[in-house]
Amino acid sequence: DQQVKQNSPSLSVQEGRISILNCDYTNSMFDYFLWYKKYPAEGPTFLISISSIKDKNEDGRFTVFLNKSAKHLSLHIVPSQPGDSAVYFCAASAVRGAQKLVFGQGTRLTINP
Amino acid sequence: EAGVAQSPRYKIIEKRQSVAFWCNPISGHATLYWYQQILGQGPKLLIQFQNNGVVDDSQLPKDRFSAERLKGVDSTLKIQPAKLEDSAVYLCASSLGPGTNTYEQYFGPGTRLTVT
Repeated sequence: DQQVKQNSPSLSVQEGRISILNCDYTNSMFDYFLWYKKYPAEGPTFLISISSIKDKNEDGRFTVFLNKSAKHLSLHIVPSQPGDSAVYFCAASAVRGAQKLVFGQGTRLTINP
Repeated sequence: EAGVAQSPRYKIIEKRQSVAFWCNPISGHATLYWYQQILGQGPKLLIQFQNNGVVDDSQLPKDRFSAERLKGVDSTLKIQPAKLEDSAVYLCASSLGPGTNTYEQYFGPGTRLTVT
């Protein structure tokens, strides 16, 4: 029962271009979404989040878009830099719940010079 | 501000042996989580503590896994006896907790467990 899905295991993007990572969810109770970035041998680090009352949140080079009707969110990175190469996880939570996060499988992003 | 501390970083044991992991959350964080991350998958919640009480342990294999959070600060996760399928990275995370209007969880570096 995969409630949060990242269907692309990997993505390769040229430096300076836009990286778009996608995430789909099935549970309509989810109303808060987060993106985490993970380097090898380190724990995930929080990147950006969005509440379901919004459809866009921006923080520097990172923008997250939420389409509630499609149960889909995406993370845009512009411009992509070599340091962005990492595994990206999307996660979802229900506000009325115990703030438990449900994670997707992750997408490995590689930025090529 | 110090982050979430975990030890050991790596552990290799034989099946049927026991192992314990330790976590020290960020100071002031009321909620502590233990996750299991199997290679190629996202982190899966094993147990969630609010202060020293268990909020959610629905995915904890209770026949072999146990966890405690004494005095609402440090926590230990134990596996006894270990199985081959327990090979994974065990991540500890902490957050401020409910009522704080934030859902961000802060993760430690994890403990990589290999069961042979």
